[in-house]
Amino acid sequence: KAGVTQTPRYLIKTRGQQVTLSCSPISGHRSVSWYQQTPGQGLQFLFEYFSETQRNKGNFPGRFSGRQFSNSRSEMNVSTLELGDSALYLCASSLPATNSYNEQFFGPGTRLTVL
Amino acid sequence: DQQVKQNSPSLSVQEGRISILNCDYTNSMFDYFLWYKKYPAEGPTFLISISSIKDKNEDGRFTVFLNKSAKHLSLHIVPSQPGDSAVYFCAAFNTNAGKSTFGDGTTLTVKP
Repeated sequence: KAGVTQTPRYLIKTRGQQVTLSCSPISGHRSVSWYQQTPGQGLQFLFEYFSETQRNKGNFPGRFSGRQFSNSRSEMNVSTLELGDSALYLCASSLPATNSYNEQFFGPGTRLTVL
Repeated sequence: DQQVKQNSPSLSVQEGRISILNCDYTNSMFDYFLWYKKYPAEGPTFLISISSIKDKNEDGRFTVFLNKSAKHLSLHIVPSQPGDSAVYFCAAFNTNAGKSTFGDGTTLTVKP
């Protein structure tokens, strides 16, 4: 089985621009979560999508948004980029979760640099 | 309010010795705890987990211990190998909330 793929792997933008990141989950996985990793900040949860609906959301401003398509692929968008948005953005997919934990499989991430 | 904390940003051990990585949490609603390993330029990979109803789970060289009264868990790697050098993230899952909370990570270096 192919793993989680993320595109692009690297991205350089300037302040004020917007960016869209893409994530393709493992085949059969319907839950996709997004995380932001910055030095010394660990992995901060952005949001989770399941069956095209946002099911959970972290504490990020409204500039961060996402969506999920019918094939479970997900996109994340950041508008009006700020310098502090420079980070590694990780996507993780898992099987449909009910009320128990399902192992998350992470992609390699997209390294976003905002100048 | 950081609900999952890894107080040691880095740890260095000699090959063959034991590595002990620690993690503290504050939310008693967490019911699963996990450790992930991350190499540079790769996403985190799942290593080992433990349910809140257990106090120990072992998988080969890796053992996770959970002390619920102290809200503390630890990952033991015995014996440590140079290939274990990576960033280790502790994560806690709240079934009611349906999401995982990660610590900041500990960089483990195993010296040959």
